[in-house]
Amino acid sequence: DVKVTQSSRYLVKRTGEKVFLECVQDMDHENMFWYRQDPGLGLRLIYFSYDVKMKEKGDIPEGYSVSREKKERFSLILESASTNQTSMYLCASTVGGRSYEQYFGPGTRLTVT
Amino acid sequence: AQKITQTQPGMFVQEKEAVTLDCTYDTSDPSYGLFWYKQPSSGEMIFLIYQGSYDQQNATEGRYSLNFQKARKSANLVISASQLGDSAMYFCAMREGGAGGTSYGKLTFGQGTILTVHP
Repeated sequence: DVKVTQSSRYLVKRTGEKVFLECVQDMDHENMFWYRQDPGLGLRLIYFSYDVKMKEKGDIPEGYSVSREKKERFSLILESASTNQTSMYLCASTVGGRSYEQYFGPGTRLTVT
Repeated sequence: AQKITQTQPGMFVQEKEAVTLDCTYDTSDPSYGLFWYKQPSSGEMIFLIYQGSYDQQNATEGRYSLNFQKARKSANLVISASQLGDSAMYFCAMREGGAGGTSYGKLTFGQGTILTVHP
């Protein structure tokens, strides 16, 4: 079974703090994604990576950066957390194939106070 | 313009009855894929079903079927014989571009529909 894990289920940070959210997948997937989920907006793509050290912006990259130093690990970084970044963050990975089905982690609910 | 639209914020269904969750999409790419995911209250996203734009038949997976109407650009999810465990948020999503292309599998999601199954 594919397993995608995220470093925390719940996280509380203060405004201005640097926040790291980590995602690890164990199936040698090439492509990894970070989404945020907000009520009424569904999931929106922040960044994705298609190879080690390769990244591309998604639909809402402002205020975020990412890092992919190893194939299995994809980190989302909030350089200076703000209250409008309070959200559920979901990581996903996919290997391609017929459908490019994405496998999701359990999510991190981040609260910025 | 919204690429994926789910117009039903909430739906209710009686246990053992069928329910249809609506999804319309917008793309000019001839090659695309459509997905449905389920998100229970625990938060994990569970893949349910996939339909490719060139697939001739509607996709089915157990009690789930996807009613794909290409000309109408709709991809409705039909759940037959609803169970209490089907109560969850349901998301429709689209991948533009063919599998193996430079889309890298990026998905665009709809707003979601909360389904409540009554006993």
